Amino acid sequence: LAKTTQPISMDSYEGQEVNITCSHNNIATNDYITWYQQFPSQGPRFIIQGYKTKVTNEVASLFIPADRKSSTLSLPRVSLSDTAVYYCLVGDIRGANNLFFGTGTRLTVIP
Amino acid sequence: DTGVSQDPRHKITKRGQNVTFRCDPISEHNRLYWYRQTLGQGPEFLTYFQNEAQLEKSRLLSDRFSAERPKGSFSTLEIQRTEQGDSAMYLCASSNGEVRNEQFFGPGTRLTVL
Repeated sequence: LAKTTQPISMDSYEGQEVNITCSHNNIATNDYITWYQQFPSQGPRFIIQGYKTKVTNEVASLFIPADRKSSTLSLPRVSLSDTAVYYCLVGDIRGANNLFFGTGTRLTVIP
Repeated sequence: DTGVSQDPRHKITKRGQNVTFRCDPISEHNRLYWYRQTLGQGPEFLTYFQNEAQLEKSRLLSDRFSAERPKGSFSTLEIQRTEQGDSAMYLCASSNGEVRNEQFFGPGTRLTVL
């Protein structure tokens, strides 16, 4: 599993776009990039997954440059309910029997 | 509710006691995972089942820990002779092993060992 590095914490005002960048210099050819969100006292929840370029769903966008050594999770117009810890995971999902979460980025949305 | 459920949600026990947690995965999911999460850290993998077979165990799973999934449906995680260091949130997740291998997590069982 590739090691990831992401900021420990971020603050943002409501209504702003938030970008959380994750570094994964040792990403392997078969690795995918997956982001999970975790609210206090709850289990993590899948947000988005991608391999290259850009992926968008109803919750977020994921930008992956050509070298795939980093990725950026973009949350449009955050609200107070987006306050959570966001984890960047990198691994070969086809064979992965476990997920390596790291410490994540604690996002605090301020009114 | 058809999500992953865990029971109990909270457990307080004295050091040296045995505890058992239960996880009910999403019904059509053949894969089941246990994780442990301590304050300020991300979840750490403990063990993985495919149907009733326990296929992988982390080094974190000492011999005081045992997990079962007898009929390939619900699972139990037992901790014998609990220690204060076992205090953590124990999370269960399930998946159907499809392409993106999304894991669906339960709410967790918070264990406090006094």
